[in-house]
Amino acid sequence: DVKVTQSSRYLVKRTGEKVFLECVQDMDHENMFWYRQDPGLGLRLIYFSYDVKMKEKGDIPEGYSVSREKKERFSLILESASTNQTSMYLCASRVIHQETQYFGPGTRLLVL
Amino acid sequence: GENVEQHPSTLSVQEGDSAVIKCTYSDSASNYFPWYKQELGKRPQLIIDIRSNVGEKKDQRIAVTLNKTAKHFSLHITETQPEDSAVYFCAASNSGGGADGLTFGKGTHLIIQP
Repeated sequence: DVKVTQSSRYLVKRTGEKVFLECVQDMDHENMFWYRQDPGLGLRLIYFSYDVKMKEKGDIPEGYSVSREKKERFSLILESASTNQTSMYLCASRVIHQETQYFGPGTRLLVL
Repeated sequence: GENVEQHPSTLSVQEGDSAVIKCTYSDSASNYFPWYKQELGKRPQLIIDIRSNVGEKKDQRIAVTLNKTAKHFSLHITETQPEDSAVYFCAASNSGGGADGLTFGKGTHLIIQP
């Protein structure tokens, strides 16, 4: 059974804090993705990773960075959280050369 | 980059009627078009997808059609049921074997009226 997990379902942080969002998949997928979901805007791609230690910017990378030290784990980092980064963050993974992406449950982040 | 437009943003239909959600895309190189369903508080789940070498695909009450020339694709749900109430997202990508992410539409909130 496909399994993508995220470290927290809900998170509250203060402006200026460094925030780490973790995503783990147990399916040996090469590709992993971070999206943010906002009402009326759908899902927007922040960063993705082809494989370990590889990363590519998505459509809205500003204010974010990522880390992929192990195949199963893809971390999203907010270097200095701001209120406009309050959002739902969704991680997804995919087998290379296949299109279907599997999503995690999401982390709802509130930045005060 | 790719741009996906989705309409309508909200759709209310009577139980048992059909629902149609439409999407257009801008990048003619896009070749993969999935539809995701997201129930309240849950993760998006793939319900059907279509590739550019196919014009139509059906899975029980759900069907997707693709018009490559016009660059639009549609989701059709027949005999709607209460459990079809959710937000539906269309998406597009150029799946050339890399890790290209999906470009999503803004979503359609489908409401099934009893």
